[in-house]
Amino acid sequence: DTAVSQTPKYLVTQMGNDKSIKCEQNLGHDTMYWYKQDSKKFLKIMFSYNNKELIINETVPNRFSPKSPDKAHLNLHINSLELGDSAVYFCASSPDSVNTEAFFGQGTRLTVV
Amino acid sequence: SQQGEEDPQALSIQEGENATMNCSYKTSINNLQWYRQNSGRGLVHLILIRSNEREKHSGRLRVTLDTSKKSSSLLITASRAADTASYFCATVSNSGYALNFGKGTSLLVTP
Repeated sequence: DTAVSQTPKYLVTQMGNDKSIKCEQNLGHDTMYWYKQDSKKFLKIMFSYNNKELIINETVPNRFSPKSPDKAHLNLHINSLELGDSAVYFCASSPDSVNTEAFFGQGTRLTVV
Repeated sequence: SQQGEEDPQALSIQEGENATMNCSYKTSINNLQWYRQNSGRGLVHLILIRSNEREKHSGRLRVTLDTSKKSSSLLITASRAADTASYFCATVSNSGYALNFGKGTSLLVTP
């Protein structure tokens, strides 16, 4: 069974559209994350949730809105997509804080045209 | 803020050789972690070394940590073509709820 699964794997959409990426973890972890990886492979934290509560919002435009309906899910909704949003988005989870290892999903490659 | 900085950015070696990647970071840490990312895949945790540890082994991996120099190294011994991937070091942010990644080292192991 996949520990951290995110869908879709690929997403191609036009500028101005609204899209969502879903993430689920079956590890029983308390903390979930969204990271963005740019074309140079640089990974940057976007959001961190602990027990459904937002812990970190790293200067992400408010067009990005995470939603955590329960501890096992952290979805990412993006409004009014822009070209610069094209990247690979990774969901991850860890038992509590990341003083232990984090488990990553396979990534969602978002291409805005 | 970005914590880890790996070097080299790219490394190309032949199977059987050892690969060494270095990571430097800026602030005090509780632990430092290394991750591998195969092309088109998610990151996979390799090893975690705590600030009170100097060296740690896992199979063909050896990680060292020098907190006085704020640096770590990852050594892969007897490399294989399957080790071809990007390798990232990561430190925990001040909040404890995020990993700050370096830019990674892209390793190519040729048969």
